[in-house]
Amino acid sequence: GENVEQHPSTLSVQEGDSAVIKCTYSDSASNYFPWYKQELGKRPQLIIDIRSNVGEKKDQRIAVTLNKTAKHFSLHITETQPEDSAVYFCAATLNTGTASKLTFGTGTRLQVTL
Amino acid sequence: DGGITQSPKYLFRKEGQNVTLSCEQNLNHDAMYWYRQDPGQGLRLIYYSQIVNDFQKGDIAEGYSVSREKKESFPLTVTSAQKNPTAFYLCASTRTSGAPYNEQFFGPGTRLTVL
Repeated sequence: GENVEQHPSTLSVQEGDSAVIKCTYSDSASNYFPWYKQELGKRPQLIIDIRSNVGEKKDQRIAVTLNKTAKHFSLHITETQPEDSAVYFCAATLNTGTASKLTFGTGTRLQVTL
Repeated sequence: DGGITQSPKYLFRKEGQNVTLSCEQNLNHDAMYWYRQDPGQGLRLIYYSQIVNDFQKGDIAEGYSVSREKKESFPLTVTSAQKNPTAFYLCASTRTSGAPYNEQFFGPGTRLTVL
């Protein structure tokens, strides 16, 4: 089955700096890679996703890049703000149009300091 | 707020008891999922269901059971056979047709504690 590794496990940046979180996956057939943000005690919420036919996707201060050859994908947050502080999870799956079994990374706790 | 509700928010169980966690969605999604989240770990899949009256085991199904009698509902029972059930349980759902159909929407979670 799929295996997703995520690092770093914790990341502290100063407000305004950039943050990068990296994930690797094992199954070359995986074709969908979402990123979720989870605030303390809350539900995970999708912040951005990318499909395997795209190398990069951007949404305001958030971007995701995918390298299918190396089987890794990364989340980039620019101009970080205190409200970006949360745990971020990457995930990977082979989407076939039916129920997709997401495999999650272990999470990165991002702390944005003033 | 996402259309998925879970109840109760907090649940306390004595050892040896079975407990059932509720998950309801009004998004008309076909697929539903149960995940378990432990501190410092990612989400691990317990069970999932693509359609009514059908469900499959995920990666950590032992000690859990589910049913899918209605499209809107996917309850999870934590049985006494689950040796370490204290965790945060998250239910999710997704469309399986049309686009975009990948996003899994999560419920607010149930925090289960074994006393």
